[in-house]
Amino acid sequence: DGGITQSPKYLFRKEGQNVTLSCEQNLNHDAMYWYRQDPGQGLRLIYYSQIVNDFQKGDIAEGYSVSREKKESFPLTVTSAQKNPTAFYLCASSDTGFSTEAFFGQGTRLTVV
Amino acid sequence: QKEVEQNSGPLSVPEGAIASLNCTYSDRGSQSFFWYRQYSGKSPELIMFIYSNGDKEDGRFTAQLNKASQYVSLLIRDSQPSDSATYLCAVINIGNTGKLIFGQGTTLQVKP
Repeated sequence: DGGITQSPKYLFRKEGQNVTLSCEQNLNHDAMYWYRQDPGQGLRLIYYSQIVNDFQKGDIAEGYSVSREKKESFPLTVTSAQKNPTAFYLCASSDTGFSTEAFFGQGTRLTVV
Repeated sequence: QKEVEQNSGPLSVPEGAIASLNCTYSDRGSQSFFWYRQYSGKSPELIMFIYSNGDKEDGRFTAQLNKASQYVSLLIRDSQPSDSATYLCAVINIGNTGKLIFGQGTTLQVKP
């Protein structure tokens, strides 16, 4: 089955640690996105990539890093520089085109302990 | 100014009524517009997309786009309690940045 998979579903991080969230898709999509969602809020764009080996900062990129070495994979690292990382993280992918739907993974809920 | 703005609500309507959800955007070059529904703790799921001015209907849902006014709306007819969710408006400018930007979402409550 085609889809987009995020792992883990729940993640706990100690202060000062870096953690990496996984996002894999087998939809052959060129574009991939990472969003952060806080309680009662919409989705804020962290990073996005329209092609392998290229990515751009979104609106809240500080404290995060990404890589896009393969078309299928777009991992997000939450670094210790991100002061308030507790949130729900969503990865999405889409074709690049005029009327292309973005498909979402199930999300990763990150909590700082 | 936020790139995509929605009234966060909550918008409360009785069962069977029409719910009207609104969204404005700032990038005049935006080309495609999406409405997603998100239940609490779940991922967003697409309801409709629209890219031409006017109305687009799909079952109980109608999306309306007015590019001159930079305004897109979603009408839900015969609202059901199962429609209670957060509705997210999303906008993309493919030719420029390729960013898919979401509004903060409107919470809809349909009361039986």
